[in-house]
Amino acid sequence: GQNIDQPTEMTATEGAIVQINCTYQTSGFNGLFWYQQHAGEAPTFLSYNVLDGLEEKGRFSSFLSRSKGYSYLLLKELQMKDSASYLCAVRDEGNAGNMLTFGGGTRLMVKP
Amino acid sequence: EAQVTQNPRYLITVTGKKLTVTCSQNMNHEYMSWYRQDPGLGLRQIYYSMNVEVTDKGDVPEGYKVSRKEKRNFPLILESPSPNQTSLYFCASSLARYNEQFFGPGTRLTVL
Repeated sequence: GQNIDQPTEMTATEGAIVQINCTYQTSGFNGLFWYQQHAGEAPTFLSYNVLDGLEEKGRFSSFLSRSKGYSYLLLKELQMKDSASYLCAVRDEGNAGNMLTFGGGTRLMVKP
Repeated sequence: EAQVTQNPRYLITVTGKKLTVTCSQNMNHEYMSWYRQDPGLGLRQIYYSMNVEVTDKGDVPEGYKVSRKEKRNFPLILESPSPNQTSLYFCASSLARYNEQFFGPGTRLTVL
């Protein structure tokens, strides 16, 4: 089985930097995704890590350490529109269908 | 426009009355799946399909059925809905099993 942990809520200030952590335990790790979900809307893809290191995409970066079972999403120059839930999801090679298992999500509130 | 569509978007029904939630994608994706999202529990996979006529159970399949007769459509069937199936449902698709998933807009179901 899989266990994915992320903080439930975080608060940050507009213009600042925030790091959202995700730890996981899995039998056959095969990739980690980050999704953004605004309230009442569908999740949208942000980033994908399968190898160790940092992936940068504009204001958003995602880091992975497979040996530690750890990832983080880094959001720079925060904007009010970044207020949303951020979902960490892990793919397990051990599952025949390569199912994606989601963490509970981190609700980020950006304040002026 | 490339998209995943779901219908209906909102549905209130009564216990035991069979219902179907449709899902369709126009991206020629092979992989499709259904999730339910509940407060505190995150997104949980119900069923997935790796191709036409190939479906399999996810984490929470009890009380649900699916079919994949055509590549673009993946309906979710509740033969006898119960109140514990009140939830927000998302359909998702991806090019193949290893790619990021694109989510539909969601269906909010209430079973009285």
